[in-house]
Amino acid sequence: AQTVTQSQPEMSVQEAETVTLSCTYDTSESDYYLFWYKQPPSRQMILVIRQEAYKQQNATENRFSVNFQKAAKSFSLKISDSQLGDAAMYFCALDSGYALNFGKGTSLLVTP
Amino acid sequence: GAVVSQHPSWVICKSGTSVKIECRSLDFQATTMFWYRQFPKQSLMLMATSNEGSKATYEQGVEKDKFLINHASLTLSTLTVTSAHPEDSSFYICSARTSGTPSDNEQFFGPGTRLTVL
Repeated sequence: AQTVTQSQPEMSVQEAETVTLSCTYDTSESDYYLFWYKQPPSRQMILVIRQEAYKQQNATENRFSVNFQKAAKSFSLKISDSQLGDAAMYFCALDSGYALNFGKGTSLLVTP
Repeated sequence: GAVVSQHPSWVICKSGTSVKIECRSLDFQATTMFWYRQFPKQSLMLMATSNEGSKATYEQGVEKDKFLINHASLTLSTLTVTSAHPEDSSFYICSARTSGTPSDNEQFFGPGTRLTVL
């Protein structure tokens, strides 16, 4: 069975600061993908960043980067220079070839 | 980027009626489509997976006779909630995956449909 755990229901960050959202997962597969999705109040799911498990290099997309620790099964998201528009629900997701398995989400609040 | 649409975006119906939600991939062929359900302040829960031309595969606990899924073409999947009841009120999201770029393994999400059953 696959599981994805996000242990932070809510996080808060000040504008322009850096915040890290945690995610741990469990899978018996050796080949899989990990994703972070953002869901703003509109509820449209937006892909933030993806990581292929076989790649050791951490993925980076502009202000978003991940810390992928395969042995520890950890996949955290770092948001640098936080902006008001980053406020949303963030979901960590695991895909090992069948379907996406989502964590419970972290609600990110960005304060001016 | 790949676009997925859903129609309607919101619907209100009376208890006991059926409601159909459409999910379309607008600029790519979706070999696999997924249907999720999301309750307020909760995560997305996979309901079923459908492959074009095949019967849908339902997740444990999802009533296949209540949530009818049809994936008749490579660009269209429909979810029909039969004999809807207030407890079926939720946000339904579809996503689509193409087999064209297996290394990406990305699902493209529709904007969701808010169903309210009175």
